[in-house]
Amino acid sequence: DAKTTQPNSMESNEEEPVHLPCNHSTISGTDYIHWYRQLPSQGPEYVIHGLTSNVNNRMASLAIAEDRKSSTLILHRATLRDAAVYYCILRGGTSYGKLTFGQGTILTVHP
Amino acid sequence: GAGVSQSPRYKVAKRGQDVALRCDPISGHVSLFWYQQALGQGPEFLTYFQNEAQLDKSGLPSDRFFAERPEGSVSTLKIQRTQQEDSAVYLCASSLDLMTEGVQETQYFGPGTRLLVL
Repeated sequence: DAKTTQPNSMESNEEEPVHLPCNHSTISGTDYIHWYRQLPSQGPEYVIHGLTSNVNNRMASLAIAEDRKSSTLILHRATLRDAAVYYCILRGGTSYGKLTFGQGTILTVHP
Repeated sequence: GAGVSQSPRYKVAKRGQDVALRCDPISGHVSLFWYQQALGQGPEFLTYFQNEAQLDKSGLPSDRFFAERPEGSVSTLKIQRTQQEDSAVYLCASSLDLMTEGVQETQYFGPGTRLLVL
């Protein structure tokens, strides 16, 4: 499976935008980029996914580089409830549906 | 609607005991996954069911781990002769049907069962 690289941790202030980067230089043409997050003491939850074009939903935006070797999850206005571990995951090829999690980025939001 | 539920939420076992962890997926979800999450790590895949068929068990760490989903709904993960290294959070996830959406299909996770082996 193609690997992703994320910073171990990031910090933000409440109501400010947050940009969470992810590098995936070995991504293949059929790999989708998925983001999940895990709040404390909960199971992971889906945030957003995309293939080539930028994507928006009610939770976040996903910006994908033109060469697809990196992507950025954007939280437009961080709240205290957004404090979580964010995982960038590639899905495709022979991995069918199983998710391969890395270490993720621990996001701390300050009031 | 009801999400994925898991029971028990917490389990303390003495080394050598057998444990059974239950997962109730979202009604109608065909695909079911089990993951293991050690402290401070991301979840790791254990096994996958499509209805009652266990299609991938490549992530099960040893033959002490056994999973079943006999009627294609509720699933049980059983660990025999528990060891201290089995201490972890065990997560269950379900999704509608991988056969139609494949790698775009969203997985819905339960809250997990935290297992502590003493």
